Amino acid sequence: ETGVTQTPRHLVMGMTNKKSLKCEQHLGHNAMYWYKQSAKKPLELMVVYSLEERVENNSVPSRFSPECPNSSHLFLHLHTLQPEDSALYLCASSQDAGGSYNEQFFGPGTRLTVL
Amino acid sequence: DQQVKQNSPSLSVQEGRISILNCDYTNSMFDYFLWYKKYPAEGPTFLISISSIKDKNEDGRFTVFLNKSAKHLSLHIVPSQPGDSAVYFCAANGGSQGNLIFGKGTKLSVKP
Repeated sequence: ETGVTQTPRHLVMGMTNKKSLKCEQHLGHNAMYWYKQSAKKPLELMVVYSLEERVENNSVPSRFSPECPNSSHLFLHLHTLQPEDSALYLCASSQDAGGSYNEQFFGPGTRLTVL
Repeated sequence: DQQVKQNSPSLSVQEGRISILNCDYTNSMFDYFLWYKKYPAEGPTFLISISSIKDKNEDGRFTVFLNKSAKHLSLHIVPSQPGDSAVYFCAANGGSQGNLIFGKGTKLSVKP
């Protein structure tokens, strides 16, 4: 595997379910990100991890629980979601979190539908 | 309020002609700008970037121009090819922990 991979690619869940999104990067990067893309809206940054430490204080609803056990893996644990949480969830990584000249590399995304 | 704006949701261009995608931003502290390309069912892929110390960066058929006084950048693709048909996102480095601020995207269709 190369680049950034995400599983599952598609997920349908009820509001009472608990599920997890997984991201893995094979680029040797130190920073990982979760973005949310809703219809007709810009990509919205949810969380940033640098060397497994959360470094961005975006207000993410508590029904989303990010986890970064090591610099190659990132999870987004989901529980009691709402239909408006249906979106494309994109994972990205970059060499480092700080600094200006930091291209981010994206995974293919997980299309989440909450019924 | 959106800090990065792509005011054209879509653009249609004939093959072989020039495609010009525009992006405006509001924060003069942004110092690095990127363009990403996204095909359906795939994540965005990095295309080209420009630092605020430059006004032009060229890579093959792709050129990005930056006008700092107008807080405007544009992506030129010439000649356009049908394979360029995709959604193009403009992004600015927000400075804080390297997070990127994205525009809503412009869907480019290149017709044969």
